[in-house]
Amino acid sequence: DSGVTQTPKHLITATGQRVTLRCSPRSGDLSVYWYQQSLDQGLQFLIQYYNGEERAKGNILERFSAQQFPDLHSELNLSSLELGDSALYFCASSPVASGGGGTQYFGPGTRLTVL
Amino acid sequence: GENVEQHPSTLSVQEGDSAVIKCTYSDSASNYFPWYKQELGKRPQLIIDIRSNVGEKKDQRIAVTLNKTAKHFSLHITETQPEDSAVYFCAATYYNQGGKLIFGQGTELSVKP
Repeated sequence: DSGVTQTPKHLITATGQRVTLRCSPRSGDLSVYWYQQSLDQGLQFLIQYYNGEERAKGNILERFSAQQFPDLHSELNLSSLELGDSALYFCASSPVASGGGGTQYFGPGTRLTVL
Repeated sequence: GENVEQHPSTLSVQEGDSAVIKCTYSDSASNYFPWYKQELGKRPQLIIDIRSNVGEKKDQRIAVTLNKTAKHFSLHITETQPEDSAVYFCAATYYNQGGKLIFGQGTELSVKP
């Protein structure tokens, strides 16, 4: 167990809908990262937050947004869902803001299926 | 641009043999290189990592080597066991853009008893 929790475990929804994925980092970790894992794209970085502020952005679609709350948990919002958004979404946490110093520990993931 | 290439995509070895997975990265500013093991449907689990000021690191049957000049790093697993079967991902961190990890495409390792 990495200490990172994600809810829900599974999510099945329809095209056009909106969902929210939740992540709680390890105790003491200030950085939260979101990654998408699909069969054809592998593990792709979406966005990073550090202590409530957006720190780095990957190829995150405009339909996707995220935030980190004062208690450090983070939410990833996916809207106007398309079939291609079906994937495993992982959250990872790290104690530091930048690379080279902070190991990232992954949560168990949320499997999103868009029908 | 930012890129990590990983080879091979699949690797099959006999139990007890060694396995080697290789990765190259494009950004010379990268300074941290973790390796993750992922079993089907599970989360990626860190198995070993190396920082750019170190050339080699070992942890029991697992070792990682880094060649900064050539911009490549490798994972070595000795005395493989069936429970080593999984997908292995290398990654590089680009510290000038937060700590985001750029992952390789993954290597599916199969260890046959």
